[in-house]
Amino acid sequence: AQTVTQSQPEMSVQEAETVTLSCTYDTSESDYYLFWYKQPPSRQMILVIRQEAYKQQNATENRFSVNFQKAAKSFSLKISDSQLGDAAMYFCAYRSLFGNEKLTFGTGTRLTIIP
Amino acid sequence: DAGVTQSPTHLIKTRGQHVTLRCSPISGHKSVSWYQQVLGQGPQFIFQYYEKEERGRGNFPDRFSARQFPNYSSELNVNALLLGDSALYLCASSRQGDTEAFFGQGTRLTVV
Repeated sequence: AQTVTQSQPEMSVQEAETVTLSCTYDTSESDYYLFWYKQPPSRQMILVIRQEAYKQQNATENRFSVNFQKAAKSFSLKISDSQLGDAAMYFCAYRSLFGNEKLTFGTGTRLTIIP
Repeated sequence: DAGVTQSPTHLIKTRGQHVTLRCSPISGHKSVSWYQQVLGQGPQFIFQYYEKEERGRGNFPDRFSARQFPNYSSELNVNALLLGDSALYLCASSRQGDTEAFFGQGTRLTVV
């Protein structure tokens, strides 16, 4: 079974600065998907960024980018130019390439933006 | 287009009772998944349905069941409620061939 670990329960960053959230995972599969989801107080999970394990290039979405280290099974999220609206819980998630659409989530990191 | 809608938004039930939670996927999405999110934890997978058939089941007791209707909406049923069933229940839908799951705002269930 796959597991996802987020070792930073809470992080804070000054507005306009850069912050990195960490995620490690364990799997015996060679191909899979990794995601970062954001959950604001409204409770709705919103996809921030996704990475296909078979792609070596790190995914980027505007101010959000990942550092995907497949051999180390590490998948960190970098948020540049942090904004007040980035404050939320961030969850790292794993999905197998085959089979059902089950997402395995980590325990989350609460990100606070300091004005 | 409307997003994933869940009802009710909040619910209070007594131990031993039964509850039904409802989910309407985004138009055109045929896959629906259910997750349980206990306070302070990440969501845990309960079920996935695609074209009215169960495609996956998480490690939950038989008190949990679900079904998907011809219009692709879904119900999650929980029997003999326990205090530990108190959680946020999230529904997600996705389009065939797409890896992005779109989540609803959840149903907050409190068992007293």
